[in-house]
Amino acid sequence: QKEVEQNSGPLSVPEGAIASLNCTYSDRVSQSFFWYRQYSGKSPELIMSIYSNGDKEDGRFTAQLNKASQYVSLLIRDSQPSDSATYLCAVREDTGNQFYFGTGTSLTVIP
Amino acid sequence: DAGVTQSPTHLIKTRGQHVTLRCSPISGHKSVSWYQQVLGQGPQFIFQYYEKEERGRGNFPDRFSARQFPNYSSELNVNALLLGDSALYLCASSLTLANYGYTFGSGTRLTVV
Repeated sequence: QKEVEQNSGPLSVPEGAIASLNCTYSDRVSQSFFWYRQYSGKSPELIMSIYSNGDKEDGRFTAQLNKASQYVSLLIRDSQPSDSATYLCAVREDTGNQFYFGTGTSLTVIP
Repeated sequence: DAGVTQSPTHLIKTRGQHVTLRCSPISGHKSVSWYQQVLGQGPQFIFQYYEKEERGRGNFPDRFSARQFPNYSSELNVNALLLGDSALYLCASSLTLANYGYTFGSGTRLTVV
């Protein structure tokens, strides 16, 4: 059973600051990693996917992957109140197609 | 384009009853996966279907079953409902069997009383 661990938070940052969300996973052969954002009472929506070591940037979001350390992170620059949500880290196994999700980190951006 | 459509949006059932949840994938998507999300937890994988065949099953009891129809829509059935089955049930659609990021439907909120 793969484990995906995230700090549950809550994480509070002031508007305009950088929010840093972290995730570790237990399976060394996992190759695909995803960040989802979930607003309260809504379904998760895909923000970023990353497959190779290093950084991947998309607008204000940067995903970072270090497979040797089994660590993936999400940085949100210039945080906005609308970024307040729960952020879910997901890992896709290679031998199957299911995703393993962490419990999520709750982020609050304070105006 | 319509996204992933799930019905009903909310449902209240009594312990021991049966429930059927429905999902229509994005047009052209042939794979449908079902996830259960209990409050405060991340989604947990229940089933994946591709081209009408089961391609993956999570660690859920046999009370949970699913199927996919020729038009790629899908049903999730849960028998003998327990209070612990209360959760948000999410349907995810992807173009192929290899998932490069799901598109989730808005979910069905099931409450078992």
